[in-house]
Amino acid sequence: QQQVKQSPQSLIVQKGGISIINCAYENTAFDYFPWYQQFPGKGPALLIAIRPDVSEKKEGRFTISFNKSAKQFSLHIMDSQPGDSATYFCAASITGSARQLTFGSGTQLTVLP
Amino acid sequence: EAQVTQNPRYLITVTGKKLTVTCSQNMNHEYMSWYRQDPGLGLRQIYYSMNVEVTDKGDVPEGYKVSRKEKRNFPLILESPSPNQTSLYFCASSWGLARVGNEQFFGPGTRLTVL
Repeated sequence: QQQVKQSPQSLIVQKGGISIINCAYENTAFDYFPWYQQFPGKGPALLIAIRPDVSEKKEGRFTISFNKSAKQFSLHIMDSQPGDSATYFCAASITGSARQLTFGSGTQLTVLP
Repeated sequence: EAQVTQNPRYLITVTGKKLTVTCSQNMNHEYMSWYRQDPGLGLRQIYYSMNVEVTDKGDVPEGYKVSRKEKRNFPLILESPSPNQTSLYFCASSWGLARVGNEQFFGPGTRLTVL
């Protein structure tokens, strides 16, 4: 079963707009929530991550919002640029787990010039 | 340059013909892992290794084998590939178990087609 559900599957945004990708999880033991960015022909790379003791984390134009009670978290990309066009994966893990990351299904973001 | 390398990057093979995808990292990481990426399913873990000679199953281990004889290398073995193993495969490595600041570094991927 998919423990981390991600939506939408694809997203098209105009340059300068806000991109929003949502994820929901089921396992309340998850305590680390990273987002990975993947460009075509490349492996995923860590973009930004959050722990559930904070409700928001911002790094430049990228912000993670976290709602522990709803078991949901989201990625907001402000002032989206064509260079942000990539596939984004949310993920979740349990600190100290050998199983590392459980990934969402991915969102293909296209930012139009 | 710190990196995870995979070979080959592209492979087309036929059902039943044994193949190995190599993975090597130069960061002295203890933890290594294999994932497969399929449309609509994200990345799913196949096998992982916490150190030399220590391996364990991930979420989708059927049809795959791994070995960890050296710290830097973690090959993925398909002894009798089948068409349902057609996928994009990623190797990843990190210092240790999951925790904040312990980022997984991914290789560039191997696209495998089994006819």
